[in-house]
Amino acid sequence: GAVVSQHPSWVICKSGTSVKIECRSLDFQATTMFWYRQFPKQSLMLMATSNEGSKATYEQGVEKDKFLINHASLTLSTLTVTSAHPEDSSFYICSARHQNNEQFFGPGTRLTVL
Amino acid sequence: LAKTTQPISMDSYEGQEVNITCSHNNIATNDYITWYQQFPSQGPRFIIQGYKTKVTNEVASLFIPADRKSSTLSLPRVSLSDTAVYYCLVGDGETSGSRLTFGEGTQLTVNP
Repeated sequence: GAVVSQHPSWVICKSGTSVKIECRSLDFQATTMFWYRQFPKQSLMLMATSNEGSKATYEQGVEKDKFLINHASLTLSTLTVTSAHPEDSSFYICSARHQNNEQFFGPGTRLTVL
Repeated sequence: LAKTTQPISMDSYEGQEVNITCSHNNIATNDYITWYQQFPSQGPRFIIQGYKTKVTNEVASLFIPADRKSSTLSLPRVSLSDTAVYYCLVGDGETSGSRLTFGEGTQLTVNP
């Protein structure tokens, strides 16, 4: 199947700093990508839908100014957690929609904010 | 998006068949049913998708009754490596490509 990668796989940062997470579709073009967050022992929660060349659509309760999403090309979407705080520590997962409409998930990025 | 209800956890033994049932009473006419598997600290992996009756692939079968208000994922002869969380999702059109709402999932533990 198609491959989606994320970078970095894990990151530790100090409170107040910003962290950028990349999501790439390696062997297909994705006009739409999705960002999820998952806390320990909980399910995935959709944060936003990222559309190439346009603004992201955020789910209710997700602060768009805190979680900046950029989808500048058909193979790359980035999520920047601005002014990160310990409560932002979580597992961030992206997915990309293939041309056949199937959605492929990345391996996730573990963010720890000290 | 239709809400789904699954058992929180299930236990099984190696070599047994495991059936996980998901309720989705408010499923819409054009909704598909999709199941994903997730291992700890990994992204979800697509298992199977169906609309009605029965679908089978190399890893699982999906049974959907005529009223489509529930579905059952069947894993034949599970092994220890099948220990994971299994999510049932329903959604608009071809679900896997649209916004996905994950429910709580079912933690399957396969014992030796």
